[in-house]
Amino acid sequence: EIVLTQSPGTLSLSPGERATLSCRASQIVGGSHLAWYQQRPAQAPRLLISYASSRATGIPDRFSGSGSGTDFTLTISRLEPEDFAVYYCQQYGTSPITFGQGTRLEIK
Amino acid sequence: QVQLVESGGGVVQPGGSLRLSCAASGFTFSSSGMHWVRQAPGKGLEWVAFTRNDGRNDYYADSVKGRFTISRDNSKNTLYLQMNSLRAEDTAVYYCAKEGSTVLTPRYCDNWGQGTLVSVSS
Repeated sequence: EIVLTQSPGTLSLSPGERATLSCRASQIVGGSHLAWYQQRPAQAPRLLISYASSRATGIPDRFSGSGSGTDFTLTISRLEPEDFAVYYCQQYGTSPITFGQGTRLEIK
Repeated sequence: QVQLVESGGGVVQPGGSLRLSCAASGFTFSSSGMHWVRQAPGKGLEWVAFTRNDGRNDYYADSVKGRFTISRDNSKNTLYLQMNSLRAEDTAVYYCAKEGSTVLTPRYCDNWGQGTLVSVSS
């Protein structure tokens, strides 16, 4: 199965700053079949990005995804208070579906 | 809007069984693939199972294969997860989630329920 490694484990930033989260796959993710989710405390995950760069319905344009092959990035251009949460990447190019271990984005 | 409401969680002894349900509304249930995803306390997300819109093909994580069965009743807009031979490591919040694509294989989840907690303990 494809192992996804997210870095950093924790990212400490201030509102208004730019966040860059990384997701690296142990094998090529075919078709850029990679998604990103946000999970706020005590809430269910929310889809942000599919197919590596396609924003889900209702997701603000400060969220963007990029990458292909084995290296993918989620960028939040200017952090809002509600963006401080845990972020997960997930690949669906090869069965079984796998998730990364998550990056916690915390307020500095 | 899409609504997914899980039920059936609780405390069960190791080796026991439990059936989770997920009531769906706000979309055409019979046209959508559906997933179960779980999250152990304080841990990350783990995909568990997927069923096609017509229920004819199922996919499972190796960790649950042979013990868990996903199924659906399109006449009741309800998804199920039958869990047998439960182990302590199955303790988690179980989320029901809607498939985000129109293909017949598992891809990604575009809507999630709030989850139901399953605790396996003696």
